[in-house]
Amino acid sequence: TQLLEQSPQFLSIQEGENLTVYCNSSSVFSSLQWYRQEPGEGPVLLVTVVTGGEVKKLKRLTFQFGDARKDSSLHITAAQPGDTGLYLCAGITNSGYALNFGKGTSLLVTP
Amino acid sequence: NAGVMQNPRHLVRRRGQEARLRCSPMKGHSHVYWYRQLPEEGLKFMVYLQKENIIDESGMPKERFSAEFPKEGPSILRIQQVVRGDSAAYFCASNGQLTDTQYFGPGTRLTVL
Repeated sequence: TQLLEQSPQFLSIQEGENLTVYCNSSSVFSSLQWYRQEPGEGPVLLVTVVTGGEVKKLKRLTFQFGDARKDSSLHITAAQPGDTGLYLCAGITNSGYALNFGKGTSLLVTP
Repeated sequence: NAGVMQNPRHLVRRRGQEARLRCSPMKGHSHVYWYRQLPEEGLKFMVYLQKENIIDESGMPKERFSAEFPKEGPSILRIQQVVRGDSAAYFCASNGQLTDTQYFGPGTRLTVL
């Protein structure tokens, strides 16, 4: 069973559009991390959120951690072709230390 | 480059051979994690090690797979008598104490013929 469900699984948009990726669970996480992965490479860390309700911004990317620490979202404003990639959310439960990954959202931004 | 390093990046083995994957954690990190990414699946935790100790190997198959993180040198993930189902990308991550954030290496892509 997948602890974290990501949606949508695939997303194809045009340059300049906005988008939101969701990461949901019935479990509570002590922290949640977002990564981006390019084909043939390892996941690259984008952000870590640890406090319920926390919002972090990274240029055009906005990350939010749900109040109950069960869900998170990633919003990209004015997407660019360079944003293309696989976006992964991963959480650590209160009782663990291993990352539980969602299956990812594959984003394609066309010019 | 002080990032997590893995080698080899690509490894081809025939069924029944042994595969050894190496991981050097980020400088100053003493915790190493191994994950496996199968086609069409998310990354799955395999094992968590600290120097000279296996802390949690609950995600690692009981047979043919082993891991170590010696006092000196890289962490090694060893797969004996590989089978086609072992073909996957294997990623190593590391972190230090008092942080949940894990930093990943570029992975080793294992292909079993």
